[in-house]
Amino acid sequence: KQEVTQIPAALSVPEGENLVLNCSFTDSAIYNLQWFRQDPGKGLTSLLLIQSSQREQTSGRLNASLDKSSGRSTLYIAASQPGDSATYLCAPTGGGNKLTFGTGTQLKVEL
Amino acid sequence: DTAVSQTPKYLVTQMGNDKSIKCEQNLGHDTMYWYKQDSKKFLKIMFSYNNKELIINETVPNRFSPKSPDKAHLNLHINSLELGDSAVYFCASSPSGTSGGSTDTQYFGPGTRLTVL
Repeated sequence: KQEVTQIPAALSVPEGENLVLNCSFTDSAIYNLQWFRQDPGKGLTSLLLIQSSQREQTSGRLNASLDKSSGRSTLYIAASQPGDSATYLCAPTGGGNKLTFGTGTQLKVEL
Repeated sequence: DTAVSQTPKYLVTQMGNDKSIKCEQNLGHDTMYWYKQDSKKFLKIMFSYNNKELIINETVPNRFSPKSPDKAHLNLHINSLELGDSAVYFCASSPSGTSGGSTDTQYFGPGTRLTVL
């Protein structure tokens, strides 16, 4: 059974800082790993998808890495902005296209 | 032109009632899902359907019955509602079938907040 842990659970940083969110998972038999963003009272928005054969994926100020063998992924956010404030969720995809979500990191970027 | 839509957005009801939540996707995807997000914000899959066929059924009470009339719709019917059913329910869809693609992103609806009194 896949278990996903995200550290830290909450993070508050001043605007402009670079930051790293961590995700670990117990079952390395995954198709891919996705990072999502959830704003309060809203649905989930897919940010990045890293295929199991890839090590890294970039989109704008976001960079996600994947080390499948050790069961780890990180999401790097460069030059953080107040608009980045949200909960970030990591979800590896297993058989049957099943996503298993982590507990999330609640990020607040302050002016 | 909403990709994945759910109705209603909010649902408040009494214990013991039966209710349904509807989901529709206009992306032409083959697979649809229902997820539950509890009060601690933990998000967990409940069901998935591929071309109207049930694929994933995750230890969900049989009071919950998904129905897929066609591959663009996946509705969730809940019988005899209990206090513990209060949560936000998310519908999602993805392009691929059960084998899952390595590039298969899931697209989520806005959620339905169910409150059972």
